Amino acid sequence: GNSVTQMEGPVTLSEEAFLTINCTYTATGYPSLFWYVQYPGEGLQLLLKATKADDKGSNKGFEATYRKETTSFHLEKGSVQVSDSAVYFCALSDRGAAGNKLTFGGGTRVLVKP
Amino acid sequence: GAGVSQTPSNKVTEKGKYVELRCDPISGHTALYWYRQSLGQGPEFLIYFQGTGAADDSGLPNDRFFAVRPEGSVSTLKIQRTERGDSAVYLCASSLDTSGSNEQFFGPGTRLTVL
Repeated sequence: GNSVTQMEGPVTLSEEAFLTINCTYTATGYPSLFWYVQYPGEGLQLLLKATKADDKGSNKGFEATYRKETTSFHLEKGSVQVSDSAVYFCALSDRGAAGNKLTFGGGTRVLVKP
Repeated sequence: GAGVSQTPSNKVTEKGKYVELRCDPISGHTALYWYRQSLGQGPEFLIYFQGTGAADDSGLPNDRFFAVRPEGSVSTLKIQRTERGDSAVYLCASSLDTSGSNEQFFGPGTRLTVL
């Protein structure tokens, strides 16, 4: 079956530091990959996505590249802000299967201190 | 426009009781998904609807859980004989359809606590 593994948090950083959150996946089909973010007190929001190998998703200064050879989709941001404090979830959907249901990792809490 | 809404936002019930959780998807979205998020974990798929029919209910943990979407819009997740292990945040999401390129938009969730 499908699964997503991401680094456990919490990750504590100072403002303007570089952020990396590792994500690897196992999929029976050919998945699309996503990063979702959950800000304090808010619902899950799509941050970025990539639908095929070597695609790079980007949004709000965050980037992630779909690496089929290493089955990875690591999230990076070059200079974090306090407002980036949130829980980040890596997820996949198996495009070969009907329904596009999402399989999530366990989430990584990020805390950015001023 | 309006996003996905879920009611109630919080529900506290006693073990053995019946609960209903409601989801209002974004207007025009034909696909609707239910997920469950336990504390400190990622959301887990429960069931999804394409229109009125439950196209995949493989994530429902047992037959105490049931969901309907009679008119292809609002959906209700029903839990019978609740157990303490059912305590979690129940998330609803909708998308235009089930193609892989369509984003799922999530509601704020219903936090269910079973005492």
